Amino acid sequence: QQPVQSPQAVILREGEDAVINCSSSKALYSVHWYRQKHGEAPIFLMILLKGGEQKGHDKISASFNEKKQQSSLYLTASQLSYSGTYFCGTEGPNQGGKLIFGQGTELSVKP
Amino acid sequence: SQTIHQWPATLVQPVGSPLSLECTVEGTSNPNLYWYRQAAGRGLQLLFYSVGIGQISSEVPQNLSASRPQDRQFILSSKKLLLSDSGFYLCAWTPAGFEQFFGPGTRLTVL
Repeated sequence: QQPVQSPQAVILREGEDAVINCSSSKALYSVHWYRQKHGEAPIFLMILLKGGEQKGHDKISASFNEKKQQSSLYLTASQLSYSGTYFCGTEGPNQGGKLIFGQGTELSVKP
Repeated sequence: SQTIHQWPATLVQPVGSPLSLECTVEGTSNPNLYWYRQAAGRGLQLLFYSVGIGQISSEVPQNLSASRPQDRQFILSSKKLLLSDSGFYLCAWTPAGFEQFFGPGTRLTVL
């Protein structure tokens, strides 16, 4: 079952913050976050494993609530380079790395 | 370091023609390999994945097939293309259970 991302699209001014949510109806083992620029391949951002962890690097961080089967991606003090489509990919238990991706959230950062 | 290649980069094919897309990974052994399709403005749909030579799992019933003749080679094929096969085809690899790394993709247009 495809995870649901929200919002579908968001427009920010440089320096503003954003939160992208990913929700699954099934139990999750891990959540992966990717960013894709138009016409390019997705780039890996981070992976969160079950256990309710939080990760981050630079001004992008994420949390994973295993109980609620939800993950959120936090972008703080956004930069123009953050523009793109963000996808979460969810992996269920014993899936051997097989991901199901959400429909994506389009983020536009304006000067 | 590991790299992933896909070719061709772009392809325009008539309806009913055959298809062969190739993906190769360098710098690793026994990777899990994946084929995804992305329709214009849409998310990533998992088509096939493979955990080893000759081991292919199909996720979506369709007129496509995949093969893994060598450890680091993954091929996507079709005997007769449909209009609905148009899209951006992405190959990805993972060292078993970790983040997936995507290739540059093949943009296929079926006319």
